[in-house]
This record gives sequence, structure tokens and C-alpha cells, in this order.
Amino acid sequence: DGGITQSPKYLFRKEGQNVTLSCEQNLNHDAMYWYRQDPGQGLRLIYYSQIVNDFQKGDIAEGYSVSREKKESFPLTVTSAQKNPTAFYLCASSALLISPLHFGNGTRLTVT
Amino acid sequence: AQTVTQSQPEMSVQEAETVTLSCTYDTSESDYYLFWYKQPPSRQMILVIRQEAYKQQNATENRFSVNFQKAAKSFSLKISDSQLGDAAMYFCAYRSDDNDMRFGAGTRLTVKP
Repeated sequence: DGGITQSPKYLFRKEGQNVTLSCEQNLNHDAMYWYRQDPGQGLRLIYYSQIVNDFQKGDIAEGYSVSREKKESFPLTVTSAQKNPTAFYLCASSALLISPLHFGNGTRLTVT
Repeated sequence: AQTVTQSQPEMSVQEAETVTLSCTYDTSESDYYLFWYKQPPSRQMILVIRQEAYKQQNATENRFSVNFQKAAKSFSLKISDSQLGDAAMYFCAYRSDDNDMRFGAGTRLTVKP
């Protein structure tokens, strides 16, 4: 079955450590996205990518980095520069513009 | 960047009644795409309905319909015959021609039996 996979579901890290969240899709979608969701809040765009080796910053890119070396993969690194990294992170992918975003099940990151 | 505003943090509806969720957006573009997503407690994002800005006809999907007012930059969602399973967070989203997609802050819908 085609889909988008985020791993792990829960992630715990100590403050000051970088951590990478995985996002893989087998839908052959060109566009991929990372969003952050805080409790009771909407989705805020971190980064998105339209094609391999290209990506654009969203509203809250500071303290995050991404890569897009393969069409299927769009990992997100939360660096130690991110002041408040504890949140729920959602990855999504999409084909054509009118096509909806397909979302992964999310990763809950807790930094202590 | 475009902004999406949902002015109703919470809404409540009686089962079998109709409710309308508001959404406005700010853009200078003429071509774009609008979406409503539902997020139940499982946190899985589920597409409810979508609309192309160049289409004047309002989109409908069963009990869900939109009122798209392009000049007013408004995109409200109407849920008819509300069911208990409709209870969730609802997010309005705007997608520009360069694939940039932004979401509103959401409206929490409660359905009363």
C-alpha cells in the first residue's frame, strides 16, 4: 500500500542534542512538507520541498534543517538552536497542486 | 506569505443540525487552492473538501459544502446533519501556485447528542 511513514512515533532527547525525524513516502509525490503543531494550535510550516535537492523555508525554519536527496525521503533535523523543540511534528506529501496533502501519523518529540 | 485566519476557536452544534465554520485568507494571487481538513483526537489529518480558486461553483462532498467568496477572500465550511463523528479540530488551508501550503489555527467542533 502507498503511504507516508514517519518514524519514530515518540522521540525523547536531552537539551543540546540534535535529533533527526524521518519521513518516507512511496506515493511518487514531488512535494513534501514539514509542519509543527503545538497543543491546541494549528499547523505551522517549517520547510517544504517541490523537487529533489530543493527546499524552501516556512514561517518557523529557524533551528531546523532539512535535506531532499531522494524523492522519497525528506528528513527533518531539529538542532540545538531550536529554543522550544518539544512539539508534535507532521510530515506530508502531495502530487499536483489541487491534490490534497497526504499526512504521516506524526512524531511526538519531547526535549528535556 | 499568505495568512489564513479562523476566527472561531470553538464551535458547538446539536446532532442533526447545521453548523458553519469560518475561514478568511490574505493573498494577492489569483490562482490558488483551498482545503478543509479534519483532525480527530487520533491527530490523523483527514481531507474534508477542496476548492480551486478559478472555479466559481462551490464544492460539495456529501454533508459538507463550502461557501467560497473570492472577492471577500472567504472560504467557510458548512456541515449539514451533524453527526457525533464530526467532532474534531477543523483546519482551513491555503495553497499557492508554488506549493506553499499554510493552515489556520483551527476550530474545535463539539457535537452535542
